[in-house]
Amino acid sequence: DVKVTQSSRYLVKRTGEKVFLECVQDMDHENMFWYRQDPGLGLRLIYFSYDVKMKEKGDIPEGYSVSREKKERFSLILESASTNQTSMYLCASSPPQGMNTEAFFGQGTRLTVV
Amino acid sequence: AQSVAQPEDQVNVAEGNPLTVKCTYSVSGNPYLFWYVQYPNRGLQFLLKYITGDNLVKGSYGFEAEFNKSQTSFHLKKPSALVSDSALYFCAVRDRKGRRALTFGSGTRLQVQP
Repeated sequence: DVKVTQSSRYLVKRTGEKVFLECVQDMDHENMFWYRQDPGLGLRLIYFSYDVKMKEKGDIPEGYSVSREKKERFSLILESASTNQTSMYLCASSPPQGMNTEAFFGQGTRLTVV
Repeated sequence: AQSVAQPEDQVNVAEGNPLTVKCTYSVSGNPYLFWYVQYPNRGLQFLLKYITGDNLVKGSYGFEAEFNKSQTSFHLKKPSALVSDSALYFCAVRDRKGRRALTFGSGTRLQVQP
């Protein structure tokens, strides 16, 4: 089974802190994604990566950056956390073979910024 | 640009009755369509997808979905609902020639009453 693992289920951080959310997948997937989930808004794409050191902005990249130094790991960075970044963050990966494959999701990290 | 609309925030159905969760989409080309389910404090689990061919797609846990190109819809259905089907359901779309990331709807909460 594909496994996508997010390092933390729950995080509480202070305003202004630099926050790292880590995601690891074990299936050699090329594509990895970070979404945030908010009630009534569904999932919104923050960033995605289609190869090591490659990244593309999603729909809401402001206030975030990403890092992909190894194929299996994709990190989301909040440079200076703010209360409006309190949310559920979901990481996903998908295989390289074509566009018709589903994405596989991690368990999510619920981040609270106080 | 691609988008997904899930017009109902919540759907209530009695156990044993059929259920439908609605989804309409907008893409510039031909779509790949997906349904995911999310249980409380968990990540998203893949249910089914439409790639090509038969408009009726069967998936996990007895769910199915019907692709209707003329109405740009991909409604999720199940002939007989279970209390354990109560969860949050997301429809997602990807343009066949567009970006690799899925675009999600806002989600529909399904409540099955015993």
